[in-house]
Amino acid sequence: DAGVIQSPRHEVTEMGQEVTLRCKPISGHNSLFWYRQTMMRGLELLIYFNNNVPIDDSGMPEDRFSAKMPNASFSTLKIQPSEPRDSAVYFCASRARENTGELFFGEGSRLTVL
Amino acid sequence: DQQVKQNSPSLSVQEGRISILNCDYTNSMFDYFLWYKKYPAEGPTFLISISSIKDKNEDGRFTVFLNKSAKHLSLHIVPSQPGDSAVYFCAVPGRATNKLIFGTGTLLAVQP
Repeated sequence: DAGVIQSPRHEVTEMGQEVTLRCKPISGHNSLFWYRQTMMRGLELLIYFNNNVPIDDSGMPEDRFSAKMPNASFSTLKIQPSEPRDSAVYFCASRARENTGELFFGEGSRLTVL
Repeated sequence: DQQVKQNSPSLSVQEGRISILNCDYTNSMFDYFLWYKKYPAEGPTFLISISSIKDKNEDGRFTVFLNKSAKHLSLHIVPSQPGDSAVYFCAVPGRATNKLIFGTGTLLAVQP
């Protein structure tokens, strides 16, 4: 059974360019999370959707970041314009139902902004 | 304000010995606590959890201890194996929105 699928696995771009990261959650899961991993801050929650609706976007760093979930099987995280400090690994995760702890993570998208 | 803290960024242990990873939290109202393990170039994977009504949960070589009075969580791995080398994150649930809040992680290196 396929897990959470993220693309691209690696992205190298120049400052000022738009970056779009994509995620396909596990089929049947109704919650989707975007996390960012950095050395200094560990795993930070950026935004979380429940039944395709954004519930908590308090972790989104600034207006340059936006996320959408147009349907139950697809989500995007967009950074426009990108900056070098956005360089990190971005993880998408999904969960079958609320009030359970286990999240299933994708393999991550490593973003480098030059 | 960080709700969960892992104060040791790294830990090195000899194969066969016990590894103890620690986590401190600030909120007394969490219903459960979790540990995740992450290998390089992979996403984190769930390892073990503990309900707030328990003080110990064991799964094979992995045991999680909860000290509610000290607001402290620990993960014991015994015996440690080289394949246990990974980053370990503790996590707690957010109260209002059912999100998971992770610590900064501890890099465990098990030396053969």
